[in-house]
Amino acid sequence: DGGITQSPKYLFRKEGQNVTLSCEQNLNHDAMYWYRQDPGQGLRLIYYSQIVNDFQKGDIAEGYSVSREKKESFPLTVTSAQKNPTAFYLCASSRGGLVSNQPQHFGDGTRLSIL
Amino acid sequence: GESVGLHLPTLSVQEGDNSIINCAYSNSASDYFIWYKQESGKGPQFIIDIRSNMDKRQGQRVTVLLNKTVKHLSLQIAATQPGDSAVYFCAEGSGSARQLTFGSGTQLTVLP
Repeated sequence: DGGITQSPKYLFRKEGQNVTLSCEQNLNHDAMYWYRQDPGQGLRLIYYSQIVNDFQKGDIAEGYSVSREKKESFPLTVTSAQKNPTAFYLCASSRGGLVSNQPQHFGDGTRLSIL
Repeated sequence: GESVGLHLPTLSVQEGDNSIINCAYSNSASDYFIWYKQESGKGPQFIIDIRSNMDKRQGQRVTVLLNKTVKHLSLQIAATQPGDSAVYFCAEGSGSARQLTFGSGTQLTVLP
């Protein structure tokens, strides 16, 4: 089945630690995205990538980093500089980029908490 | 109803009844709209989308209505079932904005 796989489902971070969230898609989509979801709020864009080896900051990129070395993979690193990392992180992909008016399809998320 | 970026309202309906979930958007330049369903602990699931050159689109048991004059979007679910219980949220996008803006959602509860 085609889809988006996020791992792990739950993740705990210690003070001063960087953690990496995995996102893999086998939909052959060009564009991939990372969002953060907090209770009672809409999704907020962290980073997006329209094509391999290229990515752009979203609205809340501070304290996060990404890479896009392969079309199917878009890992997100939550660095120690992100002071409020506790949230539900969602990865998405779409056939075209942000201006293409194609629906984004989501993985089942990673819930990150602070130890 | 829901406004993009604001509080999370709730809607309770009886099983078998029709549900209507509303979304008000603010960007008159938005030309693409999507409805998602999100169950607890899961990622959003695409339901249906509509472009601004249409005012109605139908899917399986769902209909999306777009009123550009008052910047209002609605999702109608026919014969609501227990499995429809979830948070529903809309997203709007435009070529000029280069990103989607997501609403916070409406919690739909289906009563037996």
